[in-house]
Amino acid sequence: DSGVTQTPKHLITATGQRVTLRCSPRSGDLSVYWYQQSLDQGLQFLIQYYNGEERAKGNILERFSAQQFPDLHSELNLSSLELGDSALYFCASSVGTAYGYTFGSGTRLTVV
Amino acid sequence: AQSVTQLGSHVSVSEGALVLLRCNYSSSVPPYLFWYVQYPNQGLQLLLKYTSAATLVKGINGFEAEFKKSETSFHLTKPSAHMSDAAEYFCAVIPNSGYSTLTFGKGTMLLVSP
Repeated sequence: DSGVTQTPKHLITATGQRVTLRCSPRSGDLSVYWYQQSLDQGLQFLIQYYNGEERAKGNILERFSAQQFPDLHSELNLSSLELGDSALYFCASSVGTAYGYTFGSGTRLTVV
Repeated sequence: AQSVTQLGSHVSVSEGALVLLRCNYSSSVPPYLFWYVQYPNQGLQLLLKYTSAATLVKGINGFEAEFKKSETSFHLTKPSAHMSDAAEYFCAVIPNSGYSTLTFGKGTMLLVSP
C-alpha cells in the first residue's frame, strides 16, 4: 500500500458520458498529480494541484478538469468521453520535488 | 524541456544474469533522476533516485544506478536477475531548479527467462 488511494479501480462507460475519478493523497502530501497512461502515448502528465490551487497543466484536454478539496483529496472529471480516452489514470502525491512522487494503483477506464 | 530516453523497449535476460537498463537525459544542468517499476496491473513504485548527492545510488530489490554527468546517463543495473524482476521500468526526470513536473521515458519491459 503506497498510501495514495484511488477509486474506483475499474470503470466501464459509454462514449459521450462523464465520469469522476477520485484520489486521496498520502498523509502530509500537499501536491497531487494526475497522469494518463496509454499504450501509444506512454505516461503523460495531465495536471497538478498544490494545497487546493492548480499549480501546473500538462497535456490535459479541455473535456477534462480537476480540483483539489480542502481535505486535499482530488477529483479528475472526464466528460464527453471518446474511445481514445480509454487508459489507466494515475494519481500521485508528493511532499517535495526531490523526494519523487508516490503513485496510487490507478483507475482503468474503458470507454465502449 | 527536460526529457529522458530509454534505449530498448524490451530487454531479455536469463535468471541470474546482469540486468542493465539504459537511460539518458537531456539537460545542460544535472536534474533529479528517478527509476520507477511497474508490475502488471499495478501502480508505479519508486526504485531509487538521484538528487545531487552520491553518484552511485542504491535502491530497493538490489537495484542500483550510477549518475554520469559526462555521458548524461543514469543506467539501472542489478547484478543477478530474478524472475520476480520481470516488469516495466521507467526512467523519469525533473529539473532541480525552477519548477516543473516529473517527465517519464517510454519505459523498458524487462523479461526474465529461467
